[in-house]
Amino acid sequence: GAGVSQTPSNKVTEKGKYVELRCDPISGHTALYWYRQSLGQGPEFLIYFQGTGAADDSGLPNDRFFAVRPEGSVSTLKIQRTERGDSAVYLCASSPTGPPSEQFFGPGTRLTVL
Amino acid sequence: GDSVTQMEGPVTLSEEAFLTINCTYTATGYPSLFWYVQYPGEGLQLLLKATKADDKGSNKGFEATYRKETTSFHLEKGSVQVSDSAVYFCALGNYGQNFVFGPGTRLSVLP
Repeated sequence: GAGVSQTPSNKVTEKGKYVELRCDPISGHTALYWYRQSLGQGPEFLIYFQGTGAADDSGLPNDRFFAVRPEGSVSTLKIQRTERGDSAVYLCASSPTGPPSEQFFGPGTRLTVL
Repeated sequence: GDSVTQMEGPVTLSEEAFLTINCTYTATGYPSLFWYVQYPGEGLQLLLKATKADDKGSNKGFEATYRKETTSFHLEKGSVQVSDSAVYFCALGNYGQNFVFGPGTRLSVLP
């Protein structure tokens, strides 16, 4: 079956702009995660959804970052007033259930803020 | 909270050499342990996993054994290939908590 997909694969924007990153999880997976990965580092947790609700958003760095999953499937990560420090690869993963079951990752969206 | 420590790279080996990448963890309860691999330009892929003490995960010639007494989950392969060149991440998943990833170990295998 289809894996996790993310769009766009690359996004270049200017400082101060608004961006949306989309994630399509594996069908039937109830858990969805967003991570941020900077060069040479491991994934950094941002937010975890169980169904439609955010079960844990403790990793969101500040109130410029927001994510939704209105129908319990597709999720959108939204970043307002982007800053150069937001440049990273944003990874989405889904899982049949919540932790500790394994996560299946998408290819990521590379965000570059000029 | 839970944490994962893994050996820093880069690790450079010749083809057919033996590979060990160390991973130790700190966690409450009974976490599951994972190794993920990230090939150049690609996303993270699950390599292997173990869900309880003394379990051995294996895949593509890689193995790791969940050792609760030493809180370790070291990754091993008897004979590496050039195609194994990638970044390897040790990770931990625990009930009621989010996944924790190590910083990754870059492996380069030379022909």
